[in-house]
Amino acid sequence: DAKTTQPTSMDCAEGRAANLPCNHSTISGNEYVYWYRQIHSQGPQYIIHGLKNNETNEMASLIITEDRKSSTLILPHATLRDTAVYYCIVRHNNAGNMLTFGGGTRLMVKP
Amino acid sequence: NAGVTQTPKFQVLKTGQSMTLQCAQDMNHEYMSWYRQDPGMGLRLIHYSVGAGITDQGEVPNGYNVSRSTTEDFPLRLLSAAPSQTSVYFCASSAPWTGDYEQYFGPGTRLTVT
Repeated sequence: DAKTTQPTSMDCAEGRAANLPCNHSTISGNEYVYWYRQIHSQGPQYIIHGLKNNETNEMASLIITEDRKSSTLILPHATLRDTAVYYCIVRHNNAGNMLTFGGGTRLMVKP
Repeated sequence: NAGVTQTPKFQVLKTGQSMTLQCAQDMNHEYMSWYRQDPGMGLRLIHYSVGAGITDQGEVPNGYNVSRSTTEDFPLRLLSAAPSQTSVYFCASSAPWTGDYEQYFGPGTRLTVT
């Protein structure tokens, strides 16, 4: 699976959009971009995933660049409950249940 | 559905003791896996299973055994606990063949080995 690079930490004001970047320059054509988050001491929680098109669900939006070498997770109106570590993971969808977690981005939402 | 459940929530062991961490899911997921998370680090895959009777090693399998006799349960056995196994252990399940690629994680077991 391709390696990802994320900033170690970011701050965001409550109510504003949080934009979390991820670089995955070695991604191959059949690898997907997944985002999970881990709120303190809890198990990771799935947020969203995509292949090449932008995706949106009730939690977030995922913007993938045309060359697929980077992506951005957008939380449109961050709340204090969104404070967590956010993991960007690149994997094949035939990789079963193998997720390779990097260090992630620690997002702090401030009032 | 209860989702993925793990017991116990907390455990303290002495070096050399053995124990089994329990994981169960009620979603009829064929894929299950165990991860460990050391302080300040991401999760690392220990063992995984793609169905009853089938298991395989992940990134850090040494010191751990698994078995999968039923679809619902995937216990993780520590054979002879060592301080290096002090960690938080997460179990996860998924059903990728249904088109749902999300992994569902349990609440974790916090293990301390003294």
